[in-house]
Amino acid sequence: KQEVTQIPAALSVPEGENLVLNCSFTDSAIYNLQWFRQDPGKGLTSLLLIQSSQREQTSGRLNASLDKSSGRSTLYIAASQPGDSATYLCAVIYVQGAQKLVFGQGTRLTINP
Amino acid sequence: DAGVIQSPRHEVTEMGQEVTLRCKPISGHDYLFWYRQTMMRGLELLIYFNNNVPIDDSGMPEDRFSAKMPNASFSTLKIQPSEPRDSAVYFCASSFRTSDYGYTFGSGTRLTVV
Repeated sequence: KQEVTQIPAALSVPEGENLVLNCSFTDSAIYNLQWFRQDPGKGLTSLLLIQSSQREQTSGRLNASLDKSSGRSTLYIAASQPGDSATYLCAVIYVQGAQKLVFGQGTRLTINP
Repeated sequence: DAGVIQSPRHEVTEMGQEVTLRCKPISGHDYLFWYRQTMMRGLELLIYFNNNVPIDDSGMPEDRFSAKMPNASFSTLKIQPSEPRDSAVYFCASSFRTSDYGYTFGSGTRLTVV
């Protein structure tokens, strides 16, 4: 079964810390992996898209890595700020998944001032 | 581009009533997806279209749910009759060459069936 798992489900850290969110997927045959941010009661905002041929993508304080062979991706957030508090969702398009985006359950991140 | 536009943002309806959710995808995108988000089940794909044609509706929970895409700029998701367990946030997303560019989501419609 094509699944995506995110650990931990929730994370609370003090402001200024660097942190890592984890995502794992069950099949290395993927087209791409996308990280989203969701604020409470809001929609999904795309943060980073990593193609299957890429190893990482960076946007500002965010860096996402992809290791297909191990079925893992990490989202690294540098110098965290209270405004980073949100739920972070990892999603994968599997080659055998017919263009469907399969989501993890998300990591709820709280940055404490 | 204004992004993916969904309406209404919030809908409260009584059990048994018909509900219609609307979506305008980004111009030029050839895929359109309907997702449902609940606390218990997270984000679930309901149905998706390619070039206005429904490709996979295996996620549609029951015959009470139907979706249409009459043209490239408009799609509807209809629930008839609605039930309290349909209460959720419904998202529409669109994409172009999904494997290369990923998805863009709308802001969602929060549906409450009382």
